[in-house]
Amino acid sequence: AQKITQTQPGMFVQEKEAVTLDCTYDTSDQSYGLFWYKQPSSGEMIFLIYQGSYDEQNATEGRYSLNFQKARKSANLVISASQLGDSAMYFCAMRESNTGNQFYFGTGTSLTVIP
Amino acid sequence: NAGVTQTPKFRILKIGQSMTLQCAQDMNHNYMYWYRQDPGMGLKLIYYSVGAGITDKGEVPNGYNVSRSTTEDFPLRLELAAPSQTSVYFCASSYQVLNQPQHFGDGTRLSIL
Repeated sequence: AQKITQTQPGMFVQEKEAVTLDCTYDTSDQSYGLFWYKQPSSGEMIFLIYQGSYDEQNATEGRYSLNFQKARKSANLVISASQLGDSAMYFCAMRESNTGNQFYFGTGTSLTVIP
Repeated sequence: NAGVTQTPKFRILKIGQSMTLQCAQDMNHNYMYWYRQDPGMGLKLIYYSVGAGITDKGEVPNGYNVSRSTTEDFPLRLELAAPSQTSVYFCASSYQVLNQPQHFGDGTRLSIL
């Protein structure tokens, strides 16, 4: 079974609008972390935001927030006030303690911001 | 503020040639990783290391070898290059702590012709 599932291969959003990128995960571990990365067309991987399994509040970093629903095992990334520079691939990843703190990545979502 | 440094950035190999992709990090991370990313796809783990002298296979290790003689360096060797190994290769490192992200290098774009 896939550890991380991203069901949206491609998404479009109007500039200045908010967008939600979906991520569901599969783990039996109680202690795990969820990460989102951005990969622009230039290719580098940029860490955006982290959510711990024991965190009671949703993580926020500037225009990025993580909608963490533990019971549903979802960790959706919300980007508010989209900008043209947000056009990129976005990857969700999980790190769990019972597999030696290994990382598992989803297949990514391509986001295009329309002017 | 170097972070994770990968060399070379680009390389073209002929089928059957060998080469080593270099990766170095200066953050004293004990965990290091090698991924490949095929066009339009996600990351696939090739090998990883949890410390000097310790390496382990990931999802797609065939055709590759690694070594970890120091904390800083984690080279990836391709033996007998094949067209299927045409990809972008990323090296990453992290602390072993659960809440710490991976830091990635800029990648090596490798073509096998």
